[in-house]
Amino acid sequence: QSVLTQSPSASGTPGQRVTISCSGSSSNIGSNFVFWYRHLPGTAPKLLIYMNHQRPSGVPDRFSGSKSGTSASLAISGLRSEDEADYYCAAWDGSLSGWVFGGGTKLTVL
Amino acid sequence: EVQLVESGGGLVQPGGSLRLSCAASGFTFSTYWMSWVRQAPGKGLEWVANIKKEGSEKHYVDSVKGRFTISRDNAKNSMYLQMNSLRAEDTAVYYCAREGWESSGFDCWGQGTLVTVSS
Repeated sequence: QSVLTQSPSASGTPGQRVTISCSGSSSNIGSNFVFWYRHLPGTAPKLLIYMNHQRPSGVPDRFSGSKSGTSASLAISGLRSEDEADYYCAAWDGSLSGWVFGGGTKLTVL
Repeated sequence: EVQLVESGGGLVQPGGSLRLSCAASGFTFSTYWMSWVRQAPGKGLEWVANIKKEGSEKHYVDSVKGRFTISRDNAKNSMYLQMNSLRAEDTAVYYCAREGWESSGFDCWGQGTLVTVSS
């Protein structure tokens, strides 16, 4: 059981906008930044969003992040087939003194 | 080019030990916190441990405390994970990850090394 809670799956059609949510608590999302990663098993995970909503250089503006209270979300607009991957949220947990990840959301582009 | 390369994975019996290495290049290794993150088969990402720039501070996930030890050698641009008393549930791909400056997250990852704990 992951400390951060994500829906296990999400889907959309090309061009659509999808949102992936992440729920935590006051000791992690509620008091620290949220990060989002994209991962294809067998490859290196990739940072998509840092500090709740900032995009690293090279990440298209189709990806956006937001945070409210103890929840966060990742939105992907203009969905493309290459967006199919597993998406994870993460945050530092002050009570655990460690990083915590969500269980991951598998995105399928129909 | 910023690069992280893990090595040392393999098959080990329950109760055995293994030492993973992470070789860094393309950046000033000694100025970054570093982490190990793992993914068990069919499971999600799980943070394992991290270590401060000069090695003075370390944190571990509860499930590995007392069994795993993270360390680094800044002169060799390398980080290590000594894994003792290994259990079947430690079977996973282990990734080395760099923690970026000023809350920029895990901004660089290696390709991972597979650890299989089985008799």
